[in-house]
Amino acid sequence: NAGVTQTPKFQVLKTGQSMTLQCAQDMNHEYMSWYRQDPGMGLRLIHYSVGAGITDQGEVPNGYNVSRSTTEDFPLRLLLAAPSQTSVYFCASGLAGVNTGELFFGEGSRLTVL
Amino acid sequence: RKEVEQDPGPFNVPEGATVAFNCTYSNSASQSFFWYRQDCRKEPKLLMSVYSSGNEDGRFTAQLNRASQYISLLIRDSKLSDSATYLCVGSSGGSYIPTFGRGTSLIVHP
Repeated sequence: NAGVTQTPKFQVLKTGQSMTLQCAQDMNHEYMSWYRQDPGMGLRLIHYSVGAGITDQGEVPNGYNVSRSTTEDFPLRLLLAAPSQTSVYFCASGLAGVNTGELFFGEGSRLTVL
Repeated sequence: RKEVEQDPGPFNVPEGATVAFNCTYSNSASQSFFWYRQDCRKEPKLLMSVYSSGNEDGRFTAQLNRASQYISLLIRDSKLSDSATYLCVGSSGGSYIPTFGRGTSLIVHP
């Protein structure tokens, strides 16, 4: 059972570089989201989607882009990486609506920006 | 101020102890609540949903108090393996986008 798959698990970037974190789920979930987790800050929502073709901003969207061309995939793009984007990134999926809080998380992507 | 607040702890308890965490929420329109467990350097995993009537799963009991706007998690007979960070989640009314608390750290020692 694959569940939510994130790649890469680790990445080191230099300031100004761009990259895409991949996220795929095989549970036919409508809702997908990206969080970043920093020490003492908890999980903060970056972007989310409630279905293919629909995306919206979360709490900390600046510096990130997303797209949802299929139900399965929800990539997160860092446009011009900055040291402040050093973090652990989690992708999560679930059913939309009242049960949106029942999320399945990927294993995380640890990003370091030098 | 975050919509969902938790005491970060750590709660340091001996094996076999009973421990309880509370989580307060500010949005009175919040509809759904959940508890997650996160082990060090791992992803969060759903522990249990919190129903209005309460919810019990083995040694774990979750309660919702709408009047006082808090949810609780009670762990009985603590095990070493219960050591983790426990995150509470509330969904904001209308959009149902879940909001995570910052987590409460539990350390169970021999």
